[in-house]
Amino acid sequence: KQEVTQIPAALSVPEGENLVLNCSFTDSAIYNLQWFRQDPGKGLTSLLLIQSSQREQTSGRLNASLDKSSGRSTLYIAASQPGDSATYLCAVSINNQGGKLIFGQGTELSVKP
Amino acid sequence: KAGVTQTPRYLIKTRGQQVTLSCSPISGHRSVSWYQQTPGQGLQFLFEYFSETQRNKGNFPGRFSGRQFSNSRSEMNVSTLELGDSALYLCASSLATGQPQHFGDGTRLSIL
Repeated sequence: KQEVTQIPAALSVPEGENLVLNCSFTDSAIYNLQWFRQDPGKGLTSLLLIQSSQREQTSGRLNASLDKSSGRSTLYIAASQPGDSATYLCAVSINNQGGKLIFGQGTELSVKP
Repeated sequence: KAGVTQTPRYLIKTRGQQVTLSCSPISGHRSVSWYQQTPGQGLQFLFEYFSETQRNKGNFPGRFSGRQFSNSRSEMNVSTLELGDSALYLCASSLATGQPQHFGDGTRLSIL
């Protein structure tokens, strides 16, 4: 059974700091991995999607990496800003289960001015 | 381009009642998935529909059901509501398997 874990559960950093969020999964037979952010009372915003054949994806100040063999992904945020404060979730999809996503519990990020 | 639209945003029901939630996907998206989010269990997959057919189903009791219409809009129904059904219900749409899923803002369901 696929399980997704995110560490740490919460993180507080000063503005301008570079930071890394971690995501691990137990079964390497994934189709892709997606990173989302969720603001309080809102739905999820898709940040980056990495296909199983890829090693990393970049969008602006965000960089996500994927190491399938070790069951790990990281989300790197450069030069953090207060507007980055949110809960960050990673989710994996399984090869033979279509659009079903299995989510981690999330990392709650607070960036202090 | 309009995003995923979920209605209503908030609902208050009592135990034993039933409820129907609606989701309009992004134009052109044929896959619609539903998730339940609670503080204790996090985000859990309910089911996925593609071209009006249920393609996947999560581990929820039969009280939870859904359907998809020919225009890809989807509805989710929960019958005989229980206190534990209080949650944020999120709908997501995508073009196809392997493509990014885009979420609506959810329906907040409270059971009294």
